Amino acid sequence: SQKIEQNSEALNIQEGKTATLTCNYTNYSPAYLQWYRQDPGRGPVFLLLIRENEKEKRKERLKVTFDTTLKQSLFHITASQPADSATYLCALDSGSARQLTFGSGTQLTVLP
Amino acid sequence: DAGITQSPRHKVTETGTPVTLRCHQTENHRYMYWYRQDPGHGLRLIHYSYGVKDTDKGEVSDGYSVSRSKTEDFLLTLESATSSQTSVYFCAISETGGAYGYTFGSGTRLTVV
Repeated sequence: SQKIEQNSEALNIQEGKTATLTCNYTNYSPAYLQWYRQDPGRGPVFLLLIRENEKEKRKERLKVTFDTTLKQSLFHITASQPADSATYLCALDSGSARQLTFGSGTQLTVLP
Repeated sequence: DAGITQSPRHKVTETGTPVTLRCHQTENHRYMYWYRQDPGHGLRLIHYSYGVKDTDKGEVSDGYSVSRSKTEDFLLTLESATSSQTSVYFCAISETGGAYGYTFGSGTRLTVV
């Protein structure tokens, strides 16, 4: 069956460092992969999408990579700030299904 | 969240009672989704809609039904609420079925006692 795993439920890093979050998947052939941010008590907010034929995508301090051979995506936040503290979710689409399947998320805490 | 609202935001109900949650959008997006979010399980798809009166089941559809009689409204009904349906429910919308991301509502926290 299809499975998405995000590395460690919680990740703590020091302000100014680069945070790296991992999303691994099995038994998928996604057309694209997405990353969302979720703050406590709020709905997820879309951040970035990367397609299967793209290796890397950037948006301001965010960078996403997508390795379809390793079946893995890495999500980087450079120069991290306490305001980046949140839970980050990855989500995969299997193309024709017109729906996303989400990982359980990684809770990031940026320490001042 | 801009263009999508969920109601109610919080609800406590008794086991065995029917419950309806509402999702309303002003974006005229074709696709609408209902997810539930539970600790350790993440977001799981309950039902989704790809047009008026067009709906399909998701991963955890047992005990739930949906209706979409207008583009802007997507209703989720718990036919006979159980304690296992205590959860936070999120509605999401998409213009293209996810190719450019989903927009989520703020969620409904449902407690079944």
